[in-house]
Formats: sequence, C-alpha cells, structure tokens
Amino acid sequence: DAGITQSPRHKVTETGTPVTLRCHQTENHRYMYWYRQDPGHGLRLIHYSYGVKDTDKGEVSDGYSVSRSKTEDFLLTLESATSSQTSVYFCAISEAGADNSPLHFGNGTRLTVT
Amino acid sequence: SQKIEQNSEALNIQEGKTATLTCNYTNYSPAYLQWYRQDPGRGPVFLLLIRENEKEKRKERLKVTFDTTLKQSLFHITASQPADSATYLCFKAAGNKLTFGGGTRVLVKP
Repeated sequence: DAGITQSPRHKVTETGTPVTLRCHQTENHRYMYWYRQDPGHGLRLIHYSYGVKDTDKGEVSDGYSVSRSKTEDFLLTLESATSSQTSVYFCAISEAGADNSPLHFGNGTRLTVT
Repeated sequence: SQKIEQNSEALNIQEGKTATLTCNYTNYSPAYLQWYRQDPGRGPVFLLLIRENEKEKRKERLKVTFDTTLKQSLFHITASQPADSATYLCFKAAGNKLTFGGGTRVLVKP
C-alpha cells in the first residue's frame, strides 16, 4: 500500500464531538489528499496539501480542517462531527501532483457519527 | 464544474471475454487521464495513466484509449478472469480540480 497508514481504521463517535483522523506516509511524497467516499457520490476531495504547512480546499471542505506540520503526516479534523460526515475516509499521496502522477491510497477509515 | 460519467450499472461478463468500460468527461480535456481499481474495503489502486497525445496505452491484459474529440476514454480488460472482478474508477485532474467518476463494477463469472 505504498507506505501509507491511516488511523484509526474504524471509529464511532457522537454528534458534536471533535474527531481527528491521521494519515502517515513513509514515501516522502510532497502531495497528500483526503477523500471521502459515499454510495451514490463516489470519491470526493476534501482537502489536499502540496507541502508542509501548505494546504487547500477541495470540493467538500465545509466542516473539515487539515494540518500538515511534517512531510509524513496529514491530519483531518472534524471540529464538531455531524451524521452527514458518516463516511469512509481515504488518504492518498502523490509524488508530483495528481494531474501528472498516480495517487496511492491508504485503506481508509470508516467513521460513523451517531 | 468538472464531471466524469461512468456507467453505474454493473458489468457482468463471462470469463475469457473482453470487458469494455466507458468514461465520459465534460469541460476541457485533461492532459492526463487515469484508471484505478477498487476492491471492497480497500483503497483504489492505480492501474494506468494515459496522456492526451497518446491514443492508446497497454499494460498486460489492460488497454486504455483516450479520445479528446469525443471526450471519452475506454478501458478494456481482455481475456477476463474472475480475479478481475472489482470496481474500476476513471479519474482526471486539472490543477486542483481532481475528479473521480462513480465507478463501474465488473463481475467476471467463471
């Protein structure tokens, strides 16, 4: 899995609680991405990072924040989880940007917000 | 907005036959188009990348074509095997616009 670890793999949390998902890579790739995958919507980009401390929003960024203080770690935070954020979250990395190099994905975090 | 459309209906195919999947996109043509495979409970896995100036790309039993006039890519699995059963995703990127299609599920029957 291209040296990508997502943690936790599963999480159940209550509405209104903060949640942080972690993505750790050992490939030293510059680009990192957070996606969510839902039935009927496919994979949608939440946020991405193009370097340490450099991040930008994707198409479904509302309710999410990210941080990247080290090359190897990209954190996704749900400040106050809602039921609509129940989903499978995937982290991906890319050596030279997704527009001209492949994405390598982790195996996902299944998040349930009750 | 960017859109990628893939046939949402599952494709059932007999072992040994060729599976052909379609990816249609809107707006401007990307410089690259990519295909991924996803198995249940797993993240997508990269298969092939095709550039706009390449008409066709092959990797083992896989073949991808890219027609910028039709705004379409075709993905072929030749001599299909039950192990090819999975969901296949089309992906295009242009700057920070990274768009996946909804995927087509392929089921290869022995």
